[in-house]
Amino acid sequence: GDSVTQKQGQVTLSEDDFLFINCTYSTTTYPTLLWYVQYLGQGPQLLLKVTTANNKGISRGFEATYDKGTTSFHLQKASVQESDSAVYFCAPYGSSGNKLIFGIGTLLSVKP
Amino acid sequence: AQTIHQWPVAEIKAVGSPLSLGCTIKGKSSPNLYWYWQATGGTLQQLFYSITVGQVESVVQLNLSASRPKDDQFILSTEKLLLSHSGFYLCAWSLTGASAETLYFGSGTRLTVL
Repeated sequence: GDSVTQKQGQVTLSEDDFLFINCTYSTTTYPTLLWYVQYLGQGPQLLLKVTTANNKGISRGFEATYDKGTTSFHLQKASVQESDSAVYFCAPYGSSGNKLIFGIGTLLSVKP
Repeated sequence: AQTIHQWPVAEIKAVGSPLSLGCTIKGKSSPNLYWYWQATGGTLQQLFYSITVGQVESVVQLNLSASRPKDDQFILSTEKLLLSHSGFYLCAWSLTGASAETLYFGSGTRLTVL
C-alpha cells in the first residue's frame, strides 16, 4: 500500500538555525503534497501546499519544495523561532476514498 | 466564517463504558466530514469520512462507529471502550470535489481510558 516517510522524527534547533525536513512517499501518482503544523494541544492546520508541477510553496517564512531528481518533498525555513516549535506532518493528496495519508510527523523543538 | 466545534474537550472513561464524541461545523453547507485518531506522539489515522448526511464510510476498524445525523454534525461513538481507544480524537471538514485536499481540524478531544 501507499506509505509516507518522514525520516526525522525529532529535530532540536536553536533560534535562527536553518530547518530542513524531508518527506517521501512510495507512489508518484500524488501530485499534491500538503504540510500541516500541529502546535501542542491543538488540531493540525495547513501550513503549505506544493505540487510536482509548480515545485514550490511559501508561507509564514516556510518554503516547501519538490525535488524532481529524488522525487521527494522538503520543508525548510531559513531562521526558526521558538514559536515554530510544533509537529510538522506531510500528507500527499490524491488517493481514492477522500483519504489523506499523514506521515509520522517531525517534532521540532526550538531552544531560545 | 466557518467554525468547527468539538465536544467534550477531554474525557476520562472506564474500560467497557460507552462513549460519544461530537463535532459541529457552522458556516459551511454540505462539507465533507472526517474523524481522525492520534495516539500520544503519533501520526494522524483517519477513522471515518462522510460526504453527505446519513452516509459514513469506515476507513479503519477500531470498534468505533460514526454517524452524521445532520448536515453539520458528526458523531463518534462506541458501546464499549477499550484501553487502546485512548488518544486524541480530531474532527475535520473539507470542501468537496477537487477542493477536498485541505482539511480544517477542530481542537480535538483528549480521551483517557482507564
